[in-house]
Amino acid sequence: GQNIDQPTEMTATEGAIVQINCTYQTSGFNGLFWYQQHAGEAPTFLSYNVLDGLEEKGRFSSFLSRSKGYSYLLLKELQMKDSASYLCAVLDSNYQLIWGAGTKLIIKP
Amino acid sequence: GAVVSQHPSRVICKSGTSVKIECRSLDFQATTMFWYRQFPKQSLMLMATSNEGSKATYEQGVEKDKFLINHASLTLSTLTVTSAHPEDSSFYICSAPGSRTTEAFFGQGTRLTVV
Repeated sequence: GQNIDQPTEMTATEGAIVQINCTYQTSGFNGLFWYQQHAGEAPTFLSYNVLDGLEEKGRFSSFLSRSKGYSYLLLKELQMKDSASYLCAVLDSNYQLIWGAGTKLIIKP
Repeated sequence: GAVVSQHPSRVICKSGTSVKIECRSLDFQATTMFWYRQFPKQSLMLMATSNEGSKATYEQGVEKDKFLINHASLTLSTLTVTSAHPEDSSFYICSAPGSRTTEAFFGQGTRLTVV
């Protein structure tokens, strides 16, 4: 079956750095997404990786290793507004998005 | 970026009644719209894929007669929850593929509460 694993919850301090990991096992791979979702709101696109390596976008970076079925989202200079759930999703061979359960990130002052 | 407008954002209805949720693509044509349901602290669960001008494709376990999907135009898809029950209370979100075959554009979501 298809499976995406990410930690349920993480806590970090304002101004610090946090890395959210995601491992996946899917039927085919056409890219991996990271989305941010605040409570009661729809997800917001953060990043897309289809090739191995690191994609940097401001305070957020996303890394992919296809051979390991692994990705991480790196958040730098954490701000209180970064408190949210972070969803990892993989586009499978049928171009369907397979979603992880999300990682709730709690930022403390 | 592209915008998908979803309405209503919140709705409370009585058990046994029907509720319609609309999703409109505002600045692009969406031949496909995905409908998701999300229960608290859980991930998005794909319910169905609506295709303009044809019947929707439902995921296993989703009742076609209960969740009616209409995609009559390239800019509008609707989900009607018929004879709603309290267990249908959930967060419903639509999304449309973008111009690339990659990023999905989400509606704002609809919080449905059935009392």
